[in-house]
Amino acid sequence: DSGVTQTPKHLITATGQRVTLRCSPRSGDLSVYWYQQSLDQGLQFLIQYYNGEERAKGNILERFSAQQFPDLHSELNLSSLELGDSALYFCASSPRGGGTGELFFGEGSRLTVL
Amino acid sequence: GQNIDQPTEMTATEGAIVQINCTYQTSGFNGLFWYQQHAGEAPTFLSYNVLDGLEEKGRFSSFLSRSKGYSYLLLKELQMKDSASYLCAVRDMRNNNDMRFGAGTRLTVKP
Repeated sequence: DSGVTQTPKHLITATGQRVTLRCSPRSGDLSVYWYQQSLDQGLQFLIQYYNGEERAKGNILERFSAQQFPDLHSELNLSSLELGDSALYFCASSPRGGGTGELFFGEGSRLTVL
Repeated sequence: GQNIDQPTEMTATEGAIVQINCTYQTSGFNGLFWYQQHAGEAPTFLSYNVLDGLEEKGRFSSFLSRSKGYSYLLLKELQMKDSASYLCAVRDMRNNNDMRFGAGTRLTVKP
């Protein structure tokens, strides 16, 4: 158990709909990262937050948005869903400082768009 | 941007040694990471290199050459449970230390 919690674990919805994925980082971690992993593909970096502020942006579509709240949990909002958005969405957190700064991943939210 | 390249698939025999290579291009290098990911599961951290040289951790070792933009992950005494994808990732200080991943190398260990 990495200590990172993601909900829901599975989600099935229809095209055009909107969903929200939630992530709680490890206790004490200030950084949250979101990644998308389509079938048999690598991890695509979407966005990074640090202590409530957006720090880095990757290949995140305009239909997607995210935020990190004062209690450090984060939400990824996906709207106007398309079939191609079906994927595993991972959240990861990273320690504040010291150590190697490796990422600790949640179990992922598997989104299926029908 | 970053280009991170690694072979798509590799096959090796139980008990053998396998080396998985990774090349990268970034001007803001701030560390290279290897992760293991079993199908449908979360990636888990294996190793970290920020200085040139070899880091050894049990059956797994990782090497880095910053001048060549090159790393490898060495797995010794392969076990069936080592069948997984191995992801190379680079941290980029130019982009607030975000971490970008290669597409991963799917390793199959055969008896």
